[in-house]
Amino acid sequence: GAVVSQHPSRVICKSGTSVKIECRSLDFQATTMFWYRQFPKQSLMLMATSNEGSKATYEQGVEKDKFLINHASLTLSTLTVTSAHPEDSSFYICSAESAGELFFGEGSRLTVL
Amino acid sequence: GNSVTQMEGPVTLSEEAFLTINCTYTATGYPSLFWYVQYPGEGLQLLLKATKADDKGSNKGFEATYRKETTSFHLEKGSVQVSDSAVYFCALRKEAQGAQKLVFGQGTRLTINP
Repeated sequence: GAVVSQHPSRVICKSGTSVKIECRSLDFQATTMFWYRQFPKQSLMLMATSNEGSKATYEQGVEKDKFLINHASLTLSTLTVTSAHPEDSSFYICSAESAGELFFGEGSRLTVL
Repeated sequence: GNSVTQMEGPVTLSEEAFLTINCTYTATGYPSLFWYVQYPGEGLQLLLKATKADDKGSNKGFEATYRKETTSFHLEKGSVQVSDSAVYFCALRKEAQGAQKLVFGQGTRLTINP
């Protein structure tokens, strides 16, 4: 199947700094990618839909100025958590569609101190 | 709104035991239903799916039947192996929302002991 890769897998940062997480489709092109957030022992919540060459579509309740999404190419989407705070600590997962099936990255665990 | 409720984990079984992980959903219309599996250190992978009532999805010895009357999609396997240890997510996708948006259950961690 198609491969989606995220980087970094783990990141620790200080409160107030910004962190960028990359999501790459390694062997296919993805015009649309999706970003999810997962809290401990909870389900994955869709944050936003990332569209290549246009603005991302955010789900209700997600701050678009805090979670900046850029999809500059058909194989790369980035999520930047700006001015991170401890409550932003979470597991972030991206996915992309290929041939009607969704493929997921390994996830990125963000810890904000 | 649409939602998925899964059996709370963690679930611990011995090898060759019978497995059931319950999943029920709430949705208008006729959603497609999925089970995803996440092995340690890896991303979610599609395990099986069913797109209409009474369909049975199956893969790697796992099965789930789309039951519209009980709004359920329980995951079963007759004889589990240590390699089945993972987190399992039930999910639904409703056509009106577009092809990619999924609503997930909270996940069930399964541990199989030798």
